Amino acid sequence: DGGITQSPKYLFRKEGQNVTLSCEQNLNHDAMYWYRQDPGQGLRLIYYSQIVNDFQKGDIAEGYSVSREKKESFPLTVTSAQKNPTAFYLCASSILGASGSLEQYFGPGTRLTVT
Amino acid sequence: DAKTTQPPSMDCAEGRAANLPCNHSTISGNEYVYWYRQIHSQGPQYIIHGLKNNETNEMASLIITEDRKSSTLILPHATLRDTAVYYCIVRVVRGRSGSARQLTFGSGTQLTVLP
Repeated sequence: DGGITQSPKYLFRKEGQNVTLSCEQNLNHDAMYWYRQDPGQGLRLIYYSQIVNDFQKGDIAEGYSVSREKKESFPLTVTSAQKNPTAFYLCASSILGASGSLEQYFGPGTRLTVT
Repeated sequence: DAKTTQPPSMDCAEGRAANLPCNHSTISGNEYVYWYRQIHSQGPQYIIHGLKNNETNEMASLIITEDRKSSTLILPHATLRDTAVYYCIVRVVRGRSGSARQLTFGSGTQLTVLP
């Protein structure tokens, strides 16, 4: 069953702690993305990666870090430097190509609450 | 990217066709129309996309007017599980090499399927 998985579904952390969100895909997609969604809002791009060992900042990368050591995996670390980390985090993947990169497949999301 | 306008909400009776309109009067010749949906507290789901011809897949049909200034997403037999926010996106599709692309959603249409 091909797909994209994120874990955990819910995550609670104390302020000042770093936390890593997992994202794995078995779709053989080259591109992977991390978005943040706040209540009633659209998606905002945090980071994306087009190839292993390479990634680019999105619109709101400050306070976040990523790695892409394997094609299947694109973990996101929310650091203590992120001012408002409580949000719904969505990972997505796509092929690269004329229209393919706009056909993104999303995981179920991780809802992070920091208190 | 061309601006899109969608009604904020629509209701549909279960088993009936749901027709979701999108206006994109400033669309240019190389812009595609994409549709996504997001069920509450889940990741967005790609539905369908098209350029100028009507498209159909296992989820839905996309009807694009001849002048391409508007389109309609049709869910032929809506079920309760189709209750979601539906997003119409118009984006330029770049050449063959492609690259990772950011998705941005507007406010969408909240479709409620009624029993």
